[in-house]
Amino acid sequence: DVKVTQSSRYLVKRTGEKVFLECVQDMDHENMFWYRQDPGLGLRLIYFSYDVKMKEKGDIPEGYSVSREKKERFSLILESASTNQTSMYLCASRDTPGEAGGNEQFFGPGTRLTVL
Amino acid sequence: DAKTTQPTSMDCAEGRAANLPCNHSTISGNEYVYWYRQIHSQGPQYIIHGLKNNETNEMASLIITEDRKSSTLILPHATLRDTAVYYCIVRVARIKAAGNKLTFGGGTRVLVKP
Repeated sequence: DVKVTQSSRYLVKRTGEKVFLECVQDMDHENMFWYRQDPGLGLRLIYFSYDVKMKEKGDIPEGYSVSREKKERFSLILESASTNQTSMYLCASRDTPGEAGGNEQFFGPGTRLTVL
Repeated sequence: DAKTTQPTSMDCAEGRAANLPCNHSTISGNEYVYWYRQIHSQGPQYIIHGLKNNETNEMASLIITEDRKSSTLILPHATLRDTAVYYCIVRVARIKAAGNKLTFGGGTRVLVKP
């Protein structure tokens, strides 16, 4: 089974701090994603990566950056945390699609970040 | 992606089958039906997907109507741990680009009762 792990389940930071969220997957997947999930807004894509050192902006990249130095690890960075970045952050990975489907994304347990 | 419509909520008795409907009347020929679920305070979990034929795995069965305009996810023997929000998604197959974000609608809140 695919396993996606995230560095913390719960995190509390102060406004202005630099925050690192780590995600590791063990299935050699090429594609990795960072989402945030907020009540009433559903899942929103922040950034994704389709290969080592490759990254693409999602729908809401402002205030975030990412790093993918190794295939199994995808980091989300909040350069200067703000209260509106309080959210559940979800990492996901997916293999490169083949002939059938190919939209199965495997999620980590999530990090609930609170910015005070 | 085709729009999906699901009931807002449903209850199910523990040990009984849970049948979760999804309407996707605008589905196109190359779109698959996917089901995910999200247990409270956890990340979403992939369950199953299908194109035309019915599918079964260790978690659930997926029944797709012949016209593909609706489908039903079946949890054969619901347990308390199956209490979650279940999302039906319709997506195009063989997406090469990695920008294949998932968008969940409201989903169905399933409560399995003892």
